[in-house]
Amino acid sequence: NAGVTQTPKFRVLKTGQSMTLLCAQDMNHEYMYWYRQDPGMGLRLIHYSVGEGTTAKGEVPDGYNVSRLKKQNFLLGLESAAPSQTSVYFCASSSGRSARRTDTQYFGPGTRLTVL
Amino acid sequence: AQKVTQAQTEISVVEKEDVTLDCVYETRDTTYYLFWYKQPPSGELVFLIRRNSFDEQNEISGRYSWNFQKSTSSFNFTITASQVVDSAVYFCALINNQGGKLIFGQGTELSVKP
Repeated sequence: NAGVTQTPKFRVLKTGQSMTLLCAQDMNHEYMYWYRQDPGMGLRLIHYSVGEGTTAKGEVPDGYNVSRLKKQNFLLGLESAAPSQTSVYFCASSSGRSARRTDTQYFGPGTRLTVL
Repeated sequence: AQKVTQAQTEISVVEKEDVTLDCVYETRDTTYYLFWYKQPPSGELVFLIRRNSFDEQNEISGRYSWNFQKSTSSFNFTITASQVVDSAVYFCALINNQGGKLIFGQGTELSVKP
């Protein structure tokens, strides 16, 4: 099992460009999450999904959109990138056995995004 | 409000020393879950342990041990006989019973020198 994988690993964008980050998990998990990690800020939740076709906002959703068309994939989109979105992005998934989403979250390797 | 505090920003030890990483949390809930994650220099986040609020038994896994004390709202992590490969940033995190959002501490960067 690969667990949680993320594509790409690194990316450099210019302000105003768009891109999509792909997260895939092969653990048959129901729940998936996108976080960003910034120095001194820890990890903050951007969006999450409790199942195929459903998404919800997290702590810092502005400037991002997400889609979960297939259970195993969770996409994070930046429509018009800004320098403030320079960060390391982590995807995570959890089993969904807990209806309250308290299951252990397993993380992908991260995507390092720089917006110039 | 929920909060996780890791007061030690950086710790440096010499190989084979024991080291304890502190974690103090705040929550009003009686049911909650605590976690430790390791972030090595390669950048990924590796799950280490999960503990629920009703289980105060200490846990040992090889050189790693965890001490959970509800009375002091602490969930400390000890590495015995540290090794260079233990060098990483370690995060403590909390989920309450309303679920979903992992509340992370700021992380402790551990450097183990040969």
